[in-house]
Amino acid sequence: QVQLQESGPGLVKTSETLSLTCTVSGGAISSYYWSWIRQPPGKGLEWIGYISYRGRTNYNPSLKSRVTISMDPSMNQFSLRLSSVTAADTAVYYCARDAGNSFWDWGQGTLVTV
Amino acid sequence: QSALTQPPSASGSPGQSVTFSCTGTSSDIGGYNYVSWYQQHPGRAPKLLIYEVNKRPSGVPDRFSGSKSGNTASLTVSGLQADDEADYYCSSYAGSTGVFGGGTKLTVL
Repeated sequence: QVQLQESGPGLVKTSETLSLTCTVSGGAISSYYWSWIRQPPGKGLEWIGYISYRGRTNYNPSLKSRVTISMDPSMNQFSLRLSSVTAADTAVYYCARDAGNSFWDWGQGTLVTV
Repeated sequence: QSALTQPPSASGSPGQSVTFSCTGTSSDIGGYNYVSWYQQHPGRAPKLLIYEVNKRPSGVPDRFSGSKSGNTASLTVSGLQADDEADYYCSSYAGSTGVFGGGTKLTVL
């Protein structure tokens, strides 16, 4: 089973860029697809986007203009950048292993407050 | 890309069965056999229960089963237990992107 751990600032100022990193252990990042998913307090899940083992990305159309997902195979990490944040971007952010749009392994989540 | 539609709440007594619905469109649920279901307890990360409409990952009890008809997917939990009280989310592939439902809160009476 793959383990994932999110890291990054818990507080971001309005209009700045949110940056998070997911560190993967127990599996090579170059072998799967990897997604970011968020959950505003008290609300449901929202898929943000994924990066493939080849570095191909795809994003939620509602966030596409502000999102960048990248990967660093040498560190077995992938990252999320979300620009021009507002209070509506306050959420618990999860990273997850993605296979066929099913999310098999999840990080514990990290709360980011704008 | 609109969220999938799930009823906000459901309830059942221990030992009973409960079925959750998840309604989408021909562009997501109806167009692909990539529907998955997740269980989320308060303060915890979601857990995969069902993938590809009706397949269970190793370790998930066979009390959990999934199905699909047209643009609507369903999750049935049989033999309800107290620990089944949680939020349940559906998700579907939507042609290179993904979409979740709003979630259903299950109360075990």
